[in-house]
Amino acid sequence: LAKTTQPISMDSYEGQEVNITCSHNNIATNDYITWYQQFPSQGPRFIIQGYKTKVTNEVASLFIPADRKSSTLSLPRVSLSDTAVYYCLVGDWRALTFGSGTRLQVQP
Amino acid sequence: NAGVTQTPKFQVLKTGQSMTLQCAQDMNHEYMSWYRQDPGMGLRLIHYSVGAGITDQGEVPNGYNVSRSTTEDFPLRLLSAAPSQTSVYFCASSFTGDNYGYTFGSGTRLTVV
Repeated sequence: LAKTTQPISMDSYEGQEVNITCSHNNIATNDYITWYQQFPSQGPRFIIQGYKTKVTNEVASLFIPADRKSSTLSLPRVSLSDTAVYYCLVGDWRALTFGSGTRLQVQP
Repeated sequence: NAGVTQTPKFQVLKTGQSMTLQCAQDMNHEYMSWYRQDPGMGLRLIHYSVGAGITDQGEVPNGYNVSRSTTEDFPLRLLSAAPSQTSVYFCASSFTGDNYGYTFGSGTRLTVV
């Protein structure tokens, strides 16, 4: 299974763009890259998924370089409600592994 | 649609007791799974199923049993509860394949004393 590495925590202010980078050097050819968000006392919520290049939805953008050994989740103009833990996952879709994630704290 | 429904939301068990955590989804998802999350940690996969009658073990299956008799339901059984099983349990479901995200339930907080 591909292992991911992401920062333990990040701080930001309201209105700023936040970029969270995830390293996955051993990603397999057919692995997708998926990001989830988790608020305290809730189950994770799917944010975005991609295979290569750039994917954008109403919540975030996901940038994946050509070698696919890393990916960057971009959250535009964060608000206090974006304070959460963000998980980067790669690997077998049937048995995805959640690491410790990145704890994002957004300040006023 | 209700999505993924987990019951109960909270449970306290004594060591050695058994119980079943319920998970039901109404989205006709073939895939369902159970994760546990200990304080300050990520989620660890216990068991998963890619369809009725098919189950497989995840990272931490010991002490837990599952079965999948219908597409909608995926109960998790604790055979003989231990304090080490104190955790928050999340059920997830999705369509099968690489390009679908999981939908999670709101969790069951289990304390074993």
